[in-house]
Amino acid sequence: DAMVIQNPRYQVTQFGKPVTLSCSQTLNHNVMYWYQQKSSQAPKLLFHYYDKDFNNEADTPDNFQSRRPNTSFCFLDIRSPGLGDAAMYLCATSRSGPGTEAFFGQGTRLTVV
Amino acid sequence: DAKTTQPPSMDCAEGRAANLPCNHSTISGNEYVYWYRQIHSQGPQYIIHGLKNNETNEMASLIITEDRKSSTLILPHATLRDTAVYYCIVRVAGGANSKLTFGKGITLSVRP
Repeated sequence: DAMVIQNPRYQVTQFGKPVTLSCSQTLNHNVMYWYQQKSSQAPKLLFHYYDKDFNNEADTPDNFQSRRPNTSFCFLDIRSPGLGDAAMYLCATSRSGPGTEAFFGQGTRLTVV
Repeated sequence: DAKTTQPPSMDCAEGRAANLPCNHSTISGNEYVYWYRQIHSQGPQYIIHGLKNNETNEMASLIITEDRKSSTLILPHATLRDTAVYYCIVRVAGGANSKLTFGKGITLSVRP
């Protein structure tokens, strides 16, 4: 059973048109992460939520925003997608205690046309 | 977070053990060593983690040196399905700064 679910698996959006990617979890984990992974590169952390507290990485562009309305759901909003934002976007969750593992979803592959 | 260094690639024969090295010379006392792998076009998959003792589970074994500056992931009997990118990550234990930061990883190719 999928524990971290990302929808959709594939998303096509137009240049400059806002797009939202979603992530849900059934694990009741208090930490949720969003990563961007471009072709042949490692996943790059954009931001994460520790409970309701939002933690942005210093080099994450302002074009990327996130919302977490409750424990189970987290959204990634790209306000004005550019061609360079085409990538796989990965969501992950974990508990905050020491030595806990993070679980990843299968990702959403975003294409910008 | 401390950074890790891994060779870019390695290969091994199917059925043989695959030993994947990782250097983390600046690791702090409260940082764990984690291993994940990513098969093409899928999300990363957790393999194993440890603090200072060696660990074993159904997927792999993790050997951490006594000074904790390096570790080795061992896949005891590699199969073709183990071909993937393997990431060694150090992660601080608990708290708001406990995040997974990926390095470049090592590409393991298992040959028939």
